[in-house]
Order: sequence, then C-alpha cells, then structure tokens
Amino acid sequence: TQLLEQSPQFLSIQEGENLTVYCNSSSVFSSLQWYRQEPGEGPVLLVTVVTGGEVKKLKRLTFQFGDARKDSSLHITAAQPGDTGLYLCRGAQKLVFGQGTRLTINP
Amino acid sequence: GAGVSQTPSNKVTEKGKYVELRCDPISGHTALYWYRQSLGQGPEFLIYFQGTGAADDSGLPNDRFFAVRPEGSVSTLKIQRTERGDSAVYLCASSPGTSGYHEQYFGPGTRLTVT
Repeated sequence: TQLLEQSPQFLSIQEGENLTVYCNSSSVFSSLQWYRQEPGEGPVLLVTVVTGGEVKKLKRLTFQFGDARKDSSLHITAAQPGDTGLYLCRGAQKLVFGQGTRLTINP
Repeated sequence: GAGVSQTPSNKVTEKGKYVELRCDPISGHTALYWYRQSLGQGPEFLIYFQGTGAADDSGLPNDRFFAVRPEGSVSTLKIQRTERGDSAVYLCASSPGTSGYHEQYFGPGTRLTVT
C-alpha cells in the first residue's frame, strides 16, 4: 500500500515556467517533509510543514500543507535548471516516502 | 562538519553471496535509518534504530536481511544469500531524534549490484 502518492511522476518543462507538484494521502500526518534528491546523492531536506493550511516559502519554492493535513503541494516559480531533481515527500509518523516527482528543467 | 558516510560506495556481488554495508552517522545522532531505493523510485524504509536497539524493523523484506548497531553509532546492514532483486541503492540516514519534525541527514548510498 502506497501511503503517499506523488504526481506527476515525471515533469519536464522549460526554464522560466511555473509548476506545481503534489503529494496526497488518505492518512492524516502530524507533519510532512519535502526533500530533493540529485543523482548519486541522498535526499536533502527542503522544508517541514506542520500546521494544516500552512504555507512556507523558500526563495522561488512555495510549500502548502492541506487543511486536513492529508496532502501537500510544492509550487516552483520561474523554474531554473538547478531545480532539476527528484522531489520526495515524507510523512512524519510513518517512515515512508512517496515515489517522487522527477523534475527536469530544460535551459 | 562530517556528514553521514557509507561504505562501500559500490558493491558488485554474485547471486548467493553475503554482503555487508556500513553506515557512519553524524556524531551524536541517536536515530539511524536504512532505506532501499530502486531506480526512479522513492526510498523504501527497511529498519530504524534508536540508540542500539532496532525500534522498527517492519520494512525488512525477509530474514535474509539483518542490521546491527552495537554501540549506538556505526550500523551494518547484512544481506545473506543475495538475489538479483536485491540490486538497488541502499541509503542510510541519521537524525537527532525520531520525531517527524527532525531532519533526516542522508549518506550518498551504496549501490549494490547482484549478478
């Protein structure tokens, strides 16, 4: 059973475009984390969201935690090639990651 | 400062052989996690330690897999009678605690190939 469903699985866009990726679950999480992973490396934490409805911004990245704490989104404004990577969400009390969204930003 | 290190970085072994994968966590981190990641997938939880004890080993796929952390620091993941399906990147992470608020710091992984 996949507790965290991420969509889309793959996304390839041009530099400068905006995008949103999603992390959905039927379970309620006390908190949720987003990580980014580059080839040959382990995932690196981007943000932790805790409160339902919370919005956090990290430069061009905006993270939102759903009101019911079952879903989250990551929005990137004016994507750059350096944003390329595998974006993973992880629920707090379950030691599981979503399958990830593989994002490619083309120059 | 030193991050999480994993050795070896790559391991090629023949089907049926025994392998050990090592993880050196960040000093002082009490929690240590093992994950397995197949190409294009997210990390799959295997086991985590709080101190020396395995707090949750529910992700270990079968009894060929075993992990230890005898002194509460370095951990070794052991795989007996390896199978081709065991081929994956094995990731180790450590954190200051097991709360969901704690960041997990990952090592670069060990790429295991079973031929």
